[in-house]
Amino acid sequence: NAGVTQTPKFRILKIGQSMTLQCAQDMNHNYMYWYRQDPGMGLKLIYYSVGAGITDKGEVPNGYNVSRSTTEDFPLRLELAAPSQTSVYFCASSGDRGQANYGYTFGSGTRLTVV
Amino acid sequence: EDQVTQSPEALRLQEGESSSLNCSYTVSGLRGLFWYRQDPGKGPEFLFTLYSAGEEKEKERLKATLTKKESFLHITAPKPEDSATYLCAVYETSGSRLTFGEGTQLTVNP
Repeated sequence: NAGVTQTPKFRILKIGQSMTLQCAQDMNHNYMYWYRQDPGMGLKLIYYSVGAGITDKGEVPNGYNVSRSTTEDFPLRLELAAPSQTSVYFCASSGDRGQANYGYTFGSGTRLTVV
Repeated sequence: EDQVTQSPEALRLQEGESSSLNCSYTVSGLRGLFWYRQDPGKGPEFLFTLYSAGEEKEKERLKATLTKKESFLHITAPKPEDSATYLCAVYETSGSRLTFGEGTQLTVNP
């Protein structure tokens, strides 16, 4: 099915470990985003990309890194995991600045627990 | 700085009891206001985009309206399957991303 695919769906990390959350889209969208959502809270932007090779920080980038080597993929790297990074992570994409009619297309999320 | 405030945080309705959710926003220029539905354990799902004050859009039991300072999501005769978190987001004309509110968690009891 066309859309945004995130892997893994669930992960438990120990403090200090690192991991990469994968995100891929097959809609040829230029814009891609990483959000985190804490329980009962809204979506906070971590990083975003407006095209291959171009990334920029969002509201809460500390502790994360991204890269965008292709249009399709936008992985999120967590270095030295901390309990504060326990959250649900959503990747999203859009065809232009906001995809005026449809906003973003979201993946199903990665639930990360740091213990 | 863009601000989006949703109220109430949580709303519990009986089946058939109509109500409205509010989204207040502050932006220098609005390109679009978006409503999303989010079910537990899933990503947000697009519902509506509104572009200018006075605009209205409908989908089944949902109707979204927009003024210069806020948007309402009206739910008419809700059913239990309408239970979800409803998220509002704004897109500023000079911006490059959506700014989300914290959502309203709606529960409809049979």
